[in-house]
Amino acid sequence: AQSVTQPDIHITVSEGASLELRCNYSYGATPYLFWYVQSPGQGLQLLLKYFSGDTLVQGIKGFEAEFKRSQSSFNLRKPSVHWSDAAEYFCAVGEGSNTGKLIFGQGTTLQVKP
Amino acid sequence: GAGVSQSPSNKVTEKGKDVELRCDPISGHTALYWYRQSLGQGLEFLIYFQGNSAPDKSGLPSDRFSAERTGGSVSTLTIQRTQQEDSAVYLCASSLVPGSGYEQFFGPGTRLTVL
Repeated sequence: AQSVTQPDIHITVSEGASLELRCNYSYGATPYLFWYVQSPGQGLQLLLKYFSGDTLVQGIKGFEAEFKRSQSSFNLRKPSVHWSDAAEYFCAVGEGSNTGKLIFGQGTTLQVKP
Repeated sequence: GAGVSQSPSNKVTEKGKDVELRCDPISGHTALYWYRQSLGQGLEFLIYFQGNSAPDKSGLPSDRFSAERTGGSVSTLTIQRTQQEDSAVYLCASSLVPGSGYEQFFGPGTRLTVL
């Protein structure tokens, strides 16, 4: 069965520092991979997605992620974090059928220090 | 245009009561999803609709949970005889068509508290 692991439950970075959030997946074929962000009291917003092609994908708000098949990873990065990036981040894999059902990781909470 | 809306935003109920949670998807979106976000379980898929049909109900935790969709639009998630473990945020999402290649747009959720 597909699964997603986000090893870091909570990360704290200083404003202006770089950020990397880890995501590992378990999936038999080429996965559909997503990163979502959830700000307090808000629904989930899609940051970026990977289906095929270029393994480095660019998203909104200056985020990017790199798909590495050999490591079964899809880590999210940002060169310089802003205070407004404080939120919870979820990695997800598309279930693979035609339904589009998403399997989510447990989430990583990002705290940004001034 | 309007996004996915959910009502109520918060619901407090007593154990054993029934509750109904509503989702209004983006107009024209044929696929609708319900997920549950709880402290112990993270974000879990509950059920998926294609039009008014639910081809995948595999995530519904028990027969106390049911959902319907009418007119290819509004969906209602019903929980009967609520239990404390049902306390969670219930999220609804819609996409233009079903399939992993299509972005799901999420509503703000309904926070359910069962006392």
